[in-house]
Amino acid sequence: DGGITQSPKYLFRKEGQNVTLSCEQNLNHDAMYWYRQDPGQGLRLIYYSQIVNDFQKGDIAEGYSVSREKKESFPLTVTSAQKNPTAFYLCASSKAPGWVAGGHEQFFGPGTRLTVL
Amino acid sequence: EDQVTQSPEALRLQEGESSSLNCSYTVSGLRGLFWYRQDPGKGPEFLFTLYSAGEEKEKERLKATLTKKESFLHITAPKPEDSATYLCAVQVHAGGTSYGKLTFGQGTILTVHP
Repeated sequence: DGGITQSPKYLFRKEGQNVTLSCEQNLNHDAMYWYRQDPGQGLRLIYYSQIVNDFQKGDIAEGYSVSREKKESFPLTVTSAQKNPTAFYLCASSKAPGWVAGGHEQFFGPGTRLTVL
Repeated sequence: EDQVTQSPEALRLQEGESSSLNCSYTVSGLRGLFWYRQDPGKGPEFLFTLYSAGEEKEKERLKATLTKKESFLHITAPKPEDSATYLCAVQVHAGGTSYGKLTFGQGTILTVHP
């Protein structure tokens, strides 16, 4: 079955630690995205990548880092510089990069819930 | 700045009681409007894409419509399993190789009682 997987489902971080959230897709999609969801707020874009080896900051990139070395994978690192990291993190992918007409529906993974201890 | 506002914030219906959810948007140039369903603790599930005013899409008890200023998600004879948060998002045109990002509304929490 094609889809997006995220791991772990739950993650606990101590103060000062960096943690990495995994996102893998086998849909052969070009574009991948990371969002953060807080209670009562809409999804906010952290980083996005239109093609391999390229990525751009979204609206709330401070304290986060990403890499896109493979088409299938887009890991997100939450660094100690992120002051309020407790949230639900969602990874998504879309078939086409933004400059191509069509294929922009984003499909989401199951999410990772990060809690700071 | 692109804005998406969903109303109401929460909606409680009896099973079989039809209603509509609203998504109002203010954007510089709409490329597409997307509807998602999200169950608690899970990722959003894609429902529909609408591209131009007057367009309609249907799936089971759901029907999405689009005007130049807003979109409606009509729910006909809902069942308890339709209970979820419904999200809408807009994508705008972007020049050159710029990315047309999705801007999400805050969602409408729908509860359908048996």
